[in-house]
Amino acid sequence: NAGVTQTPKFRILKIGQSMTLQCTQDMNHNYMYWYRQDPGMGLKLIYYSVGAGITDKGEVPNGYNVSRSTTEDFPLRLELAAPSQTSVYFCASSSGQGREFFGPGTRLTVL
Amino acid sequence: AQKITQTQPGMFVQEKEAVTLDCTYDTSDPSYGLFWYKQPSSGEMIFLIYQGSYDQQNATEGRYSLNFQKARKSANLVISASQLGDSAMYFCAMREANTGNQFYFGTGTSLTVIP
Repeated sequence: NAGVTQTPKFRILKIGQSMTLQCTQDMNHNYMYWYRQDPGMGLKLIYYSVGAGITDKGEVPNGYNVSRSTTEDFPLRLELAAPSQTSVYFCASSSGQGREFFGPGTRLTVL
Repeated sequence: AQKITQTQPGMFVQEKEAVTLDCTYDTSDPSYGLFWYKQPSSGEMIFLIYQGSYDQQNATEGRYSLNFQKARKSANLVISASQLGDSAMYFCAMREANTGNQFYFGTGTSLTVIP
């Protein structure tokens, strides 16, 4: 099992550009999550999904969109990137009864 | 109100000594889970230990134990026999069943192990 994979690992965007962060899990987990972690801070929930076709906002959803067309994939879309979106982004999944499994993270810089 | 509170931004411990990292939580959900994660400087999130709200005994995983005091809503992490490789950020987290199994994270404690 690969667990949770994220691509890309690093990305630099210009202000106003858009991009999609990819996340895939191979554990057949229903629950998937996107977090951002600003320097020296904890994780803040952006969006989460309780199953294919169902998504919901977390604590900091503004400027982001998600979709969940399959159980495996949970891409995060950034529209009109802003410097405030410079952060490390983690995708995670869970069966709903245990811990979260985290991806390795994507380090995004918006200049 | 904060769901998870970690009041120790930074902690120091001598190698081979034990250290306790504090965590308090706030929930009205009777079904929840408590977790500790380690984040070394390389950035990945490493799962350490889990405690369910209905578990009667404190969780243990090797050198890690979770001191679960339900009435006080605290879930402190105890690391015994600290090693240099334990130097990292430590995050306490809670999963609530009645909020779609969302996870809530504390702000973290930076632990430094001194040789």
